[in-house]
Amino acid sequence: SQQGEEDPQALSIQEGENATMNCSYKTSINNLQWYRQNSGRGLVHLILIRSNEREKHSGRLRVTLDTSKKSSSLLITASRAADTASYFCATDAAYGGATNKLIFGTGTLLAVQP
Amino acid sequence: EAGVAQSPRYKIIEKRQSVAFWCNPISGHATLYWYQQILGQGPKLLIQFQNNGVVDDSQLPKDRFSAERLKGVDSTLKIQPAKLEDSAVYLCASSPRRQSFFEQYFGPGTRLTVT
Repeated sequence: SQQGEEDPQALSIQEGENATMNCSYKTSINNLQWYRQNSGRGLVHLILIRSNEREKHSGRLRVTLDTSKKSSSLLITASRAADTASYFCATDAAYGGATNKLIFGTGTLLAVQP
Repeated sequence: EAGVAQSPRYKIIEKRQSVAFWCNPISGHATLYWYQQILGQGPKLLIQFQNNGVVDDSQLPKDRFSAERLKGVDSTLKIQPAKLEDSAVYLCASSPRRQSFFEQYFGPGTRLTVT
C-alpha cells in the first residue's frame, strides 16, 4: 500500500518559476525523503529530513515537515527545464525501530516549459 | 564510484514464462532492495536484504517470486511463472546500512513486459 500521497498529481510551470509539491502520509515516521525520477537518470535521492526537523535546504530545494499534520512540502526555486521529472516522497515508518524500509508515494509529475 | 548495475534493461516475455533479473549493488553496501514500479505509481518494496539475509519480504508474492543474494553482494530476482500484471519496472537499490537516515541508491531498472 502507498503510505504517501503527493499533491498535485501533475504540475506545469514556466522556467524560472517556483514549483511546490506536497506529500501527506499516514503513520509516524523516522524520516521523510524526496526522490526525483526521469528517464535519463532514473530514481535519484534529493533530500532527507528527520522527524525532529522542520525545514531543510539543499541548493534550490527547500523541504518542510509538519509531523502534527503528517505532511511535507518540496519547493524548487527558479526552476529549469532539466527539473522536468516525477517527484516522490518516501517515508521510513517508525515501527520496529529504524529500518530504512521506504514506502513511496504516488508522485508528482513536474513539467517545466522553456 | 560505480553505481548500482542492473541487467537486462528490457525484457519481453509471454505469460507463464520465467524471467530473472540481476543486480550488482554499490561496493560495500550491506543493504539491498528490490522494488516493483508499475506505470504511474511509486516504487513498491518487494524484498530487503541485509548482507545475504532477508530482512523483509512481506510484500513479495512468494508463490511466483523468489530472490537471493549470494555471498552478500550480487542479487537475482526471479519470476516463475509470469503473469500479465507483473509488467513493470523492477528497480534494485542499495544503501550502506540497514539503519534509517541513509539514502538509497537506485539502479536504472529492468522494464518487464509480459504479453
